[in-house]
Amino acid sequence: QKEVEQDPGPLSVPEGAIVSLNCTYSNSAFQYFMWYRQYSRKGPELLMYTYSSGNKEDGRFTAQVDKSSKYISLFIRDSQPSDSATYLCAMSASGGSNYKLTFGKGTLLTVNP
Amino acid sequence: DGGITQSPKYLFRKEGQNVTLSCEQNLNHDAMYWYRQDPGQGLRLIYYSQIVNDFQKGDIAEGYSVSREKKESFPLTVTSAQKNPTAFYLCASSVTGVAFFGQGTRLTVV
Repeated sequence: QKEVEQDPGPLSVPEGAIVSLNCTYSNSAFQYFMWYRQYSRKGPELLMYTYSSGNKEDGRFTAQVDKSSKYISLFIRDSQPSDSATYLCAMSASGGSNYKLTFGKGTLLTVNP
Repeated sequence: DGGITQSPKYLFRKEGQNVTLSCEQNLNHDAMYWYRQDPGQGLRLIYYSQIVNDFQKGDIAEGYSVSREKKESFPLTVTSAQKNPTAFYLCASSVTGVAFFGQGTRLTVV
């Protein structure tokens, strides 16, 4: 079983739709949960991160972490064509010297005008 | 502006040559990383460093070397031993467990 699983898509939605992106993981030591947006030929941009469990909202984006199910989600409301990108989930354990991040393979999202 | 700067943006290498990719950060982060990204394969960790003068191999370190002489800098050398070096290379730095990326260097072997 891979440490982090992410559906690669591709996912195509009409403008204005609600998008749900998800990752599952197996390592219970993960405490930081991140979502990155990556446009073609660019570096990943940190969208949101959550420490431990719970929800976090930033504008049209909501990140959710369910540690009991080892499942994280990113919701995008009122999706826009400019949201078209690859979305990467990432996780890391907290504290000590363990700063290694583990990434999902990314989900390619296209928002159609 | 605070951030991570990778240079050059595009790099071409002849067969048998070593090339060095630059990564500089002014975020005062202790940890720095190099990843390789290939289509359909996600991000793969090459090397990482948690403090100055110390670094560890990642999952695909063969054919690569790094140094960490200064906190701000973590250059990556792609040696001639790397059999398939054409890829997109990403540098990142982190404080606690959250990482920030540079804009990447696209290396092509010609």
